[in-house]
This record gives sequence, structure tokens and C-alpha cells, in this order.
Amino acid sequence: DTEVTQTPKHLVMGMTNKKSLKCEQHMGHRAMYWYKQKAKKPPELMFVYSYEKLSINESVPSRFSPECPNSSLLNLHLHALQPEDSALYLCASSPLMGGQGTDTQYFGPGTRLTVL
Amino acid sequence: AQSVTQLDSHVSVSEGTPVLLRCNYSSSYSPSLFWYVQHPNKGLQLLLKYTSAATLVKGINGFEAEFKKSETSFHLTKPSAHMSDAAEYFCVVSMNTGFQKLVFGTGTRLLVSP
Repeated sequence: DTEVTQTPKHLVMGMTNKKSLKCEQHMGHRAMYWYKQKAKKPPELMFVYSYEKLSINESVPSRFSPECPNSSLLNLHLHALQPEDSALYLCASSPLMGGQGTDTQYFGPGTRLTVL
Repeated sequence: AQSVTQLDSHVSVSEGTPVLLRCNYSSSYSPSLFWYVQHPNKGLQLLLKYTSAATLVKGINGFEAEFKKSETSFHLTKPSAHMSDAAEYFCVVSMNTGFQKLVFGTGTRLLVSP
């Protein structure tokens, strides 16, 4: 089973709201990723967790706050977002096995976020 | 530095005809290369990957890609297009920077007409 699940599928929020995106995988993967994808563009990496520790933060604004409570779960907390943050947010996971070059990321279906 | 160039932003084919999506890469060492597909309003699905084993890689749904080091290419092909193949396709190279970081191409939109 190579499934990564994400909830909610759609989210509309105001600029003063606080909301969270959730990502879950039960494949035993030890790395999890958040990407942001604008329309007609490739995904852009935001954060990487490996072994539940933040490994990469691609200079993402502090209004995005990631959290990895355990090896299966990844959250993205949102606060005081701007309309330009509207995008598809994708989660991915990878095993971190077999040599880093052969590691393969599996993506979830994404959360479509609209900031009003 | 590693990079990927997808040579066509759009490719149009008729159902039942061959598909060719072109990708060139730049890498300072032997790369890991991937093709992902994204249907409208969906996540990315792995089609296939090359990791220095066989140069001809077979993927899902009848797709395959050939790694050509001399041409620094990793083109995606399918003998016969199906309507359900209409989607965005991303060629991706992995950066081995102590952690797997993916470098995406800009994508190719495949249009399939009846």
C-alpha cells in the first residue's frame, strides 16, 4: 500500500483564522514532506522531516508551522495567511532506505487551500 | 547543480497514437530520475524511476523511459495514447545532498483527442 492521505480536501479560511492541514501514512516511511503548488507550476518544497525531526525549512514564512507528532503523522499549522498563499498543499513520504539516491517520494492527493 | 528541462510545455496527440514527452537533465554525477503524473486537482503519482540499473525503465499504465547518458535525456514514451492519459507530467531529478531533495521540471501538459 503506497497511500498518503491528506485532510481536509478543501479549506477556505480568512486571513485571521488558524487552521491545520493533516497528512498521514502507514507505510513505515521515515521522511515526510510538505510542498506548495501554485496553478500550472511544479511543486515547491517547503519542509522536510526525517525521523520526526525537521531537516529542511526552505525559508518558509513563519505563518506556516509544521509539526511531526509521530512517524506516521505530519501537520501544517496555518495562521494569518495571505491571499497569495492560496494553493494546493501536497504531502509526501519516503522510506529513507536503500541509499538516498534511490529513495522515492509518494504523494498524497493534496489540500486545496483558499485564503480570502 | 542539478536541473531538469522539459522541452515541451504542451503535447497534443490523438487517441491510439504514440506519446513522446521529452526531458533533458543536468547532473554532476549519476542521477536518480523520475516521471510523475498529475491529473487535474489531484496529487502526483509515480510513473517510473531510474536509479542506475537498467537504462530502459518500464512504468505503470504502459509508459516507459530510456536513460541516455550520452544525450543527458530521459524521455517518456507510450506506444498508444488513451484518453485517460491526459494530464500534467513532471520529469524530476533527485539531489543527493545528504537528503533526497527533488528538482522538478516545469511540466508538460499532455492533451489527448478522440
